[in-house]
Amino acid sequence: QKEVEQDPGPLSVPEGAIVSLNCTYSNSAFQYFMWYRQYSRKGPELLMYTYSSGNKEDGRFTAQVDKSSKYISLFIRDSQPSDSATYLCAMRAESEKLVFGKGTKLTVNP
Amino acid sequence: GAVVSQHPSWVICKSGTSVKIECRSLDFQATTMFWYRQFPKQSLMLMATSNEGSKATYEQGVEKDKFLINHASLTLSTLTVTSAHPEDSSFYICSARVASEQETQYFGPGTRLLVL
Repeated sequence: QKEVEQDPGPLSVPEGAIVSLNCTYSNSAFQYFMWYRQYSRKGPELLMYTYSSGNKEDGRFTAQVDKSSKYISLFIRDSQPSDSATYLCAMRAESEKLVFGKGTKLTVNP
Repeated sequence: GAVVSQHPSWVICKSGTSVKIECRSLDFQATTMFWYRQFPKQSLMLMATSNEGSKATYEQGVEKDKFLINHASLTLSTLTVTSAHPEDSSFYICSARVASEQETQYFGPGTRLLVL
């Protein structure tokens, strides 16, 4: 079993839809959880950072972490065509390296 | 936000030649920089961690003599792919960690390497 599992998609939604992206993980030592957005042929851009369990909201984006289920989510409300990108989850334990999911490719259709 | 640049953005080279990729933190000092490799439809894989003024720490399976890393200053790290082969063709991405923000990494735009 890989440390981080993420459905690669692709995921296609109409503009305005609510998007749900998820990752599961196996390492219970992970404490820091991030979501990155990566446009084609570009480096990842940090979207959300969460420590331990709970929710965090930033504009149209909400990140959720459920450590008991080893499951994290990113919700995008009122999705826009400009949100079309690959979304990578990443996580790490204390003083350890970041471990990335494979990324989910999202297309928001106008 | 913190900006990280990479140069070149893409490079094509002949098999057997060496290629140097630069990673710069433009508006902050980065005590730690990371080098990743990303193959098509794959996740980012950490190659090495570079701390300013000391030797890089390589991940298991990454040849340190093939991928030379130099972190000579708080704003510059370089990755040299020596004697490149077609299987080294990939997307190389660096990231930098701000000393005051230990929990986040800021990524460069990446360098696409094609070895013929």
